[in-house]
Amino acid sequence: SQQGEEDPQALSIQEGENATMNCSYKTSINNLQWYRQNSGRGLVHLILIRSNEREKHSGRLRVTLDTSKKSSSLLITASRAADTASYFCAAVIGKSTFGDGTTLTVKP
Amino acid sequence: DVKVTQSSRYLVKRTGEKVFLECVQDMDHENMFWYRQDPGLGLRLIYFSYDVKMKEKGDIPEGYSVSREKKERFSLILESASTNQTSMYLCASSSGSGVYYGYTFGSGTRLTVV
Repeated sequence: SQQGEEDPQALSIQEGENATMNCSYKTSINNLQWYRQNSGRGLVHLILIRSNEREKHSGRLRVTLDTSKKSSSLLITASRAADTASYFCAAVIGKSTFGDGTTLTVKP
Repeated sequence: DVKVTQSSRYLVKRTGEKVFLECVQDMDHENMFWYRQDPGLGLRLIYFSYDVKMKEKGDIPEGYSVSREKKERFSLILESASTNQTSMYLCASSSGSGVYYGYTFGSGTRLTVV
């Protein structure tokens, strides 16, 4: 079974709106990471949040972590068409386990 | 800029062929990983390595082997390719224990076995 599972599977919004994606995992983790994948390409590391952190920011990205609920969320504010991609969370216990991602479409 | 380079973007092989997928990183990372990505199944870990000449099985090692003779190079080998190994293969590397660092991924190799 997968450690990191993203929800929703697909999300379509207008440019300028905020996008929120969620991730659930099953066991205790060292940290949780979010990645972005443009169509047919490799994954790009966006942000890492440690198990003892609750919130982290990077530019237009905001990540929260709730270890009691074993969940995380990624918020992209003021979305742009260039944010269109698939987003993956990776729950890390030594090695990373990825889910199937959330496909985000931002319409201009 | 740090890089993980996979030797081929697209590859077409015949059933039964021995296939080599090469991955090279220029960051002096200790850890290297091979994943395959399939729709509906996410990324699944095939093999990983924490050091030269060292390898560990991931979640789906059957039908694959790996080689890490040098720190910068991690090869994935399909001993006898089958159509169910048609997939996107992604190589990644990370520093140290990997616990507090993100992974750097290559651009992927889309393998088709016919």
